[in-house]
Amino acid sequence: GQQLNQSPQSMFIQEGEDVSMNCTSSSIFNTWLWYKQDPGEGPVLLIALYKAGELTSNGRLTAQFGITRKDSFLNISASIPSDVGIYFCAGEPTNTGNQFYFGTGTSLTVIP
Amino acid sequence: DTEVTQTPKHLVMGMTNKKSLKCEQHMGHRAMYWYKQKAKKPPELMFVYSYEKLSINESVPSRFSPECPNSSLLNLHLHALQPEDSALYLCASSPTSGGPDTQYFGPGTRLTVL
Repeated sequence: GQQLNQSPQSMFIQEGEDVSMNCTSSSIFNTWLWYKQDPGEGPVLLIALYKAGELTSNGRLTAQFGITRKDSFLNISASIPSDVGIYFCAGEPTNTGNQFYFGTGTSLTVIP
Repeated sequence: DTEVTQTPKHLVMGMTNKKSLKCEQHMGHRAMYWYKQKAKKPPELMFVYSYEKLSINESVPSRFSPECPNSSLLNLHLHALQPEDSALYLCASSPTSGGPDTQYFGPGTRLTVL
C-alpha cells in the first residue's frame, strides 16, 4: 500500500527544545492523524485534522493540515522526557473509505 | 471513552498451533481493523471490516483468518504460522464507513512464533 514520507527519521534533542516533524504524500488526503507510540504499546491518537489549512493544538502539541492537502506538520513545544517515542502520521485519501496510510515514523529521543 | 481492548497481551505459539486474538470496542464504531507491526516500522494493514463485512483484505496469507461476530468484536484466527509472523498485532476501530474519520488503536498483542 501507499506509504507516506515522514521526516526526520529520528531526532535527538535537549529537554526544553521545540520539535518539528512533517509528513508528505504524492496524493491528496481527506484526513490527517498524528499518533505517538511507546515500545510494545499501541499507537495513541494525538491530533486529528480534517480541513486544509486547519491548525489544531493539544497541550504542547500543534499540528497543521497543509494547504495543498498533501502534507501535514506536527510541532512539540518545550519537550520533556516523556515525549520520547515514535511519532507516526496517518492519512486517509479521498474516496477510499476506511483505509489509512501510515508514515515511516519519527523516533524522538529527549536528553534530560 | 475511546478504548479498544485486546487479548491476550502476549502469545507464544508453535508453528502447528491454532490460536485466536480478540479485540473489542464499545464505542459504537462500525469499522474495525487488523494491523501487523514489526519493531520500529509503521503498522501494516491486514484486514478491514465495515459494518461487520470484510471490505479490505491486503493479500494476507490464509493462515490468518479474520472474523467479525458482531459490531463490537473482532477476532483473528491463527493457524500454522511461521516464525516471520512474529510481530505486534494491533486492532483498531473507527466511527464511520467513509468520509472524514478517526482511528483508535488497542494496546496490541505481542505474538511470538517458535
